[in-house]
Amino acid sequence: GNSVTQMEGPVTLSEEAFLTINCTYTATGYPSLFWYVQYPGEGLQLLLKATKADDKGSNKGFEATYRKETTSFHLEKGSVQVSDSAVYFCALHTSGTYKYIFGTGTRLKVLA
Amino acid sequence: DADVTQTPRNRITKTGKRIMLECSQTKGHDRMYWYRQDPGLGLRLIYYSFDVKDINKGEISDGYSVSRQAQAKFSLSLESAIPNQTALYFCATSDHRGEGETQYFGPGTRLLVL
Repeated sequence: GNSVTQMEGPVTLSEEAFLTINCTYTATGYPSLFWYVQYPGEGLQLLLKATKADDKGSNKGFEATYRKETTSFHLEKGSVQVSDSAVYFCALHTSGTYKYIFGTGTRLKVLA
Repeated sequence: DADVTQTPRNRITKTGKRIMLECSQTKGHDRMYWYRQDPGLGLRLIYYSFDVKDINKGEISDGYSVSRQAQAKFSLSLESAIPNQTALYFCATSDHRGEGETQYFGPGTRLLVL
C-alpha cells in the first residue's frame, strides 16, 4: 500500500540555518505530494504541494521538488526563522481516492 | 472568520460518557473528514464523507460514529468514551475538483477521557 516516511525529529537549528526535512514515499499511480505545517495550538495548514513529477512547490521561502526517480519530496529552506518553529507533515494523495497518507510529522525548533 | 470551525476546542469527560464533537465549514466543499492525532502516530482517519448521503469508515472507526447533517456540518460522536480515545481530533474538508486535492483543517478539539 501507499506510505510516507519522513525523518524523525525533533530538529533544532539556529536562526538563519539551512533546513532540510526528508520525505520519501511509496505509491501506485501518480500521487500529489504535500507539505503541511502545524503551529502550536492550531490545525494543519497547507505549506506547499506538487502534483506531478519534477514540479517544485514553494511558499514562504520553503521549497520541495517532486522527484519520481528517488520517490522523494524533501522540504528545504535556506534561512529559517524562529517563527518557523512548528511540526511539519509530508503527505500524499492519489486522485480519485479518499485516502490521504500522512507522515508522522517532524518537529522543528529554531533558536534565536 | 475561520473557514473550518470545531467545537468545543477542549473537552474533559469521564469514561462511559457520550460526547459529540462538531465541525462546520464555509468553504462549500463536498468532502469532509475526521482524524485523530496522537504523538508519534501522525494523523489517522476515523470517518470520511463525500456528500450528505455518502459516509464511510476510515482506518480506526471502532467506538466512533458520525452524522453529516448538511453539506457544511459533520459531527463525530463517541458513544461511550474510554481513556484511549484521549487525543487531538481534527476535522478537514476538501474539494475534489481541480488538480491536487488540498485538505483544509479545523483548529482541533483536545479531548481528555478520565
